[in-house]
Amino acid sequence: AQRVTQPEKLLSVFKGAPVELKCNYSYSGSPELFWYVQYSRQRLQLLLRHISRESIKGFTADLNKGETSFHLKKPFAQEEDSAMYYCALSGRETSGSRLTFGEGTQLTVNP
Amino acid sequence: GAGVSQSPSNKVTEKGKDVELRCDPISGHTALYWYRQSLGQGLEFLIYFQGNSAPDKSGLPSDRFSAERTGGSVSTLTIQRTQQEDSAVYLCASRPRDRLRTGANVLTFGAGSRLTVL
Repeated sequence: AQRVTQPEKLLSVFKGAPVELKCNYSYSGSPELFWYVQYSRQRLQLLLRHISRESIKGFTADLNKGETSFHLKKPFAQEEDSAMYYCALSGRETSGSRLTFGEGTQLTVNP
Repeated sequence: GAGVSQSPSNKVTEKGKDVELRCDPISGHTALYWYRQSLGQGLEFLIYFQGNSAPDKSGLPSDRFSAERTGGSVSTLTIQRTQQEDSAVYLCASRPRDRLRTGANVLTFGAGSRLTVL
């Protein structure tokens, strides 16, 4: 079974402050981890994935297999970062599998 | 088309009625997913189609829910005898094949169908 937990439903920070959105997962095999984002009145879209090891819009996320975490971080939050963020996991062993999402964290960046 | 299309965008129905929600995935995408997005519930997996393989229906919440995918393209999610707790946004997503080779299990989502059951 695969499970994703985002402990914070709501997160509020001020512009310029660092932000960290927490994500923990449970999966017995080798996981693929993703962060998806949904801005107001827009479609859910991919933000980044751990395989790419990239920084998107200043956000980074490191897969920590020891702590089974994939926290999303940005050193200086911007107002346009306000959105709903979902952490997601899929298994790499099977040829086709579901993407399991967490419950999401609503990030608000205040001016 | 250029993206994943879903219809209707909004549906208001009375309790007990049947509804059909449609998804037209990106051309060439072999995998298609349905999710339900409810306030406080996050994104709940419903069903997954991959090519000609048997669909993964393990997320369907009850036997009132069913889905089919005709010709490997358009999919219809049907909810029979709707209940108020079925009110949610139903999201469809698709992705291309060769997930294992590219490691790119990246979904493209539609805008969703908002269902309100009175």
